[in-house]
Amino acid sequence: TQLLEQSPQFLSIQEGENLTVYCNSSSVFSSLQWYRQEPGEGPVLLVTVVTGGEVKKLKRLTFQFGDARKDSSLHITAAQPGDTGLYLCAGRRNSGNTPLVFGKGTRLSVIA
Amino acid sequence: KAGVTQTPRYLIKTRGQQVTLSCSPISGHRSVSWYQQTPGQGLQFLFEYFSETQRNKGNFPGRFSGRQFSNSRSEMNVSTLELGDSALYLCASSLVEANTGELFFGEGSRLTVL
Repeated sequence: TQLLEQSPQFLSIQEGENLTVYCNSSSVFSSLQWYRQEPGEGPVLLVTVVTGGEVKKLKRLTFQFGDARKDSSLHITAAQPGDTGLYLCAGRRNSGNTPLVFGKGTRLSVIA
Repeated sequence: KAGVTQTPRYLIKTRGQQVTLSCSPISGHRSVSWYQQTPGQGLQFLFEYFSETQRNKGNFPGRFSGRQFSNSRSEMNVSTLELGDSALYLCASSLVEANTGELFFGEGSRLTVL
């Protein structure tokens, strides 16, 4: 059973469109992170959210942490081909010294 | 500032062999974590080391082992390789203990088992 469920698995959109990807769990997390991974590279951190209800913006990307700290979303406005990649959410359980666990990711393709 | 360096980048082994992968963390980082990435399972946590001590271990068989040296460099070993061990093995380092900080990933070691 995957602790963090991401949806959709795959997403292909045209340049300029908006999109939202989701990260859901039945467990509470002390923090959630979003990473982006491009082919041939390791994941790179985009953002960390730690407070329930928190919203963070990074240029055209908006990240939200659910009030109950069980879910998160990533919204991209006016997607560009450079946004193409694998988006991974990752979280630490609210139970002390626990490792960072990852969802399986959403593979986004933005077509020019 | 140099990033996380993993060697080798690519390797091909046959079933039953063993393999050792190496990871050099960012200078000053004392925490190293290892993950296995496959298309079907995504990133699965293997181990985490901090100051030469294993702090966490994922749900992998005993064929998977690791260690960290006094200079924070880390190695992982997989013995008696199986076809299902084919994957991208990612190492990540962190400035503080990994359960609090950002992980900086290397480019990975892609293992193919024939």
